[in-house]
Amino acid sequence: EDQVTQSPEALRLQEGESSSLNCSYTVSGLRGLFWYRQDPGKGPEFLFTLYSAGEEKEKERLKATLTKKESFLHITAPKPEDSATYLCAVRSTSGTYKYIFGTGTRLKVLA
Amino acid sequence: NAGVTQTPKFRVLKTGQSMTLLCAQDMNHEYMYWYRQDPGMGLRLIHYSVGEGTTAKGEVPDGYNVSRLKKQNFLLGLESAAPSQTSVYFCASSREETYEQYFGPGTRLTVT
Repeated sequence: EDQVTQSPEALRLQEGESSSLNCSYTVSGLRGLFWYRQDPGKGPEFLFTLYSAGEEKEKERLKATLTKKESFLHITAPKPEDSATYLCAVRSTSGTYKYIFGTGTRLKVLA
Repeated sequence: NAGVTQTPKFRVLKTGQSMTLLCAQDMNHEYMYWYRQDPGMGLRLIHYSVGEGTTAKGEVPDGYNVSRLKKQNFLLGLESAAPSQTSVYFCASSREETYEQYFGPGTRLTVT
């Protein structure tokens, strides 16, 4: 069964304290792995798409990496405005159109 | 360019009542989706559409119906609301199935 697990559930960082969020996945075949940011009371906002192991994408203080079993979202020198829930989703090669979302990591960056 | 919009933003229903949630996108996307988001659970796909006039069931379709009469609009209907349908509903669209999805701001529905 296709599955996505994100860890930790919640993370508190001091401003400037770098860390990584994990997304472990089990799918029959990977057609894409997606990272989204969700602020309270709003819809998810797209950040990155990764398609194959070894691929990396960067945007400002965020860097996403992908292996055959997991993806990491690295946050370098975070700022309070990076506080949000970060969602990971995968699209498998199974016949059903289905994105499988993880439950997210709630990140709080303290000034 | 408004992206994906949803109406209404909030709604309270009594058990057994019906309602329709409207989603509109101005990006000319072929694919549209309806999700529900509940505490402690990931976004779950209710129904989706791969183009005008087509719809298909997702992971949790029971109690919901959808229609895509125009490419830019995707409607989600609840024929007889139940308390278990209390949730936040998100609409999304994408250019193709393996591309990123763009989400609306959500509709918070409470069924009493």
